[in-house]
Amino acid sequence: QTVVTQEPSLTVSPGGTVTLTCASSTGAVTSDYYPNWFQQKPGQAPRALIYSTSNKHSWTPARFSGSLLGGKAALTLSDVQPEDEAEYYCLLYYGGAQAVFGGGTKLTVL
Amino acid sequence: EVQLVESGGGLVKPGGSLRVSCAASGFTFSNAWMSWVRQAPGKGLEWVGRIKRKSDGGTTDYAAPVNGRFTISRDDSKNTLYLQMNSLKTEDTAVYYCTAGLGFSDMDVWGKGTTVTVSS
Repeated sequence: QTVVTQEPSLTVSPGGTVTLTCASSTGAVTSDYYPNWFQQKPGQAPRALIYSTSNKHSWTPARFSGSLLGGKAALTLSDVQPEDEAEYYCLLYYGGAQAVFGGGTKLTVL
Repeated sequence: EVQLVESGGGLVKPGGSLRVSCAASGFTFSNAWMSWVRQAPGKGLEWVGRIKRKSDGGTTDYAAPVNGRFTISRDDSKNTLYLQMNSLKTEDTAVYYCTAGLGFSDMDVWGKGTTVTVSS
């Protein structure tokens, strides 16, 4: 059973920078896994932020960026704002026919 | 405006069946790959499955926990996605979200979800 692992929680100060990571139990994450990132605030549906490693949707704030870092997918938030406090989920695709979400990272802005 | 509206959730007994629907508007539904994602109470997101557009074969893929029990289908004439759930288990209790791929990824936009509770 494939497991996708994220940091359970992270804390960042307003205006700071934080990087969330997404690892696969099968080995290094590459662009072939088409990493996606989603943001979910309490009581709301998730919202897509990043697709195919580093591509932003038209509604994604410029301070969000996606990359590959040390064999993992990564989501970096720069100049963090209070409204960025949320749960963040990554998604990886396996063989084009299966997709697995990470367990989520609860980001606190404090 | 792109919109996905799920419906049909409710309370069902273990072993029972339920069909939830997702009405789409604001985009060309027949061109979209559509997916279902669920979220158990207080838990993370779980991919349920996906159906491709007919021009890509209209095939379906499912997560292991639901394979053989759940069926995803689409009616392009009605702009509607379906999830037929059979042999339901208590662990299927969740909010079920419908998502649409608009040409960027499989899950560009999300509905607000419908709640399915499996309990005796």
